Amino acid sequence: GENVEQHPSTLSVQEGDSAVIKCTYSDSASNYFPWYKQELGKRPQLIIDIRSNVGEKKDQRIAVTLNKTAKHFSLHITETQPEDSAVYFCAAADSSYKLIFGSGTRLLVRP
Amino acid sequence: ETGVTQSPTHLIKTRGQQVTLRCSSQSGHNTVSWYQQALGQGPQFIFQYYREEENGRGNFPPRFSGLQFPNYSSELNVNALELDDSALYLCASSLGQGNGYTFGSGTRLTVV
Repeated sequence: GENVEQHPSTLSVQEGDSAVIKCTYSDSASNYFPWYKQELGKRPQLIIDIRSNVGEKKDQRIAVTLNKTAKHFSLHITETQPEDSAVYFCAAADSSYKLIFGSGTRLLVRP
Repeated sequence: ETGVTQSPTHLIKTRGQQVTLRCSSQSGHNTVSWYQQALGQGPQFIFQYYREEENGRGNFPPRFSGLQFPNYSSELNVNALELDDSALYLCASSLGQGNGYTFGSGTRLTVV
């Protein structure tokens, strides 16, 4: 079955700097890759997603890149703000759309 | 447009008991998935329902079962509760499969 690995497990950046979180997946049939942000005690919230027919997608300060050949995808947050502090999860899904999540990255943005 | 709502928000059960968790999907969403999130970990897929049929199951024992109703709301039932079942149980809904899933706030289950 699918396995998703996520790195780093914790990331601390200065406000205004960029943050990059990386994930790898094992199943070449996976074709949908969402990213979720989860604040303490709250629900995971979809922040951006990408499908396998696209290499990059941007939404304001957030971007996701996908390398199908290498089976990895990354989340890029530019001009980080303290409110970006949260746990971020990547996930992968195949045509069954069962989401397999990574283990999460705790992002801390220092003011 | 209403979001995904789950009930109850918190629950304490004794080992060996049974529990039913409920989920109302977002208006118009016909697909519901359930996830178990242990503390400090990513959500683990339990199963998914599409138009009242289970169409995917993760690596969970048969004592985890579910239902989806004609209005697309859903239940998660867990029998013979074990201490390791203590977790946040999340429900997510979407319009069809493969579209963005919206998560509910979850039910925090504690088994003592």
